[in-house]
Amino acid sequence: GESVGLHLPTLSVQEGDNSIINCAYSNSASDYFIWYKQESGKGPQFIIDIRSNMDKRQGQRVTVLLNKTVKHLSLQIAATQPGDSAVYFCAEKEDNYGQNFVFGPGTRLSVLP
Amino acid sequence: DSGVTQTPKHLITATGQRVTLRCSPRSGDLSVYWYQQSLDQGLQFLIQYYNGEERAKGNILERFSAQQFPDLHSELNLSSLELGDSALYFCASSPTGTPYEQYFGPGTRLTVT
Repeated sequence: GESVGLHLPTLSVQEGDNSIINCAYSNSASDYFIWYKQESGKGPQFIIDIRSNMDKRQGQRVTVLLNKTVKHLSLQIAATQPGDSAVYFCAEKEDNYGQNFVFGPGTRLSVLP
Repeated sequence: DSGVTQTPKHLITATGQRVTLRCSPRSGDLSVYWYQQSLDQGLQFLIQYYNGEERAKGNILERFSAQQFPDLHSELNLSSLELGDSALYFCASSPTGTPYEQYFGPGTRLTVT
């Protein structure tokens, strides 16, 4: 498959443990955020989103936390599985018009057996 | 499978040449987005079309252009190619009413030699 971001920061987690992936965003005016998962050879896949008027949002096995004070976003994955191995990156919507998202560089999650 | 198709999967061409990348959105989606993903710059939004009309523009070079046809498929034209244009190019589509819910295609890997 295609390799994306060969020099990305890597997080290695034991199978079954929880994973926390962090993202610092740049614009305090950003009002919407998305976490994407990108597996090797595939396009990004939507995981979960959160609006700026929320601090926390939960999905299936995933939770996103937003700290607007320090412009920080985190993705928590519960009971990490081998299929969770991928590159994860956040995206922030900077403007009120259109869908101009700015994407973070990504973190590679490696799940150890 | 996201339902978004892109052709070709791989493209190798020489500097100065022109190429066309093709994208077919998910059935019913009117919006198409183009993104460039390179190792050093991550995922960058290029341009968005909605029902045949340009809706938003991102970091798209003047040497690049796109269009969306009446059948809603889209083409991204890259001309006067440079080595730095080598990247993965993704197309995404979204349903009307939920523009942030983007479904990405598998991408086209462009290599400029």
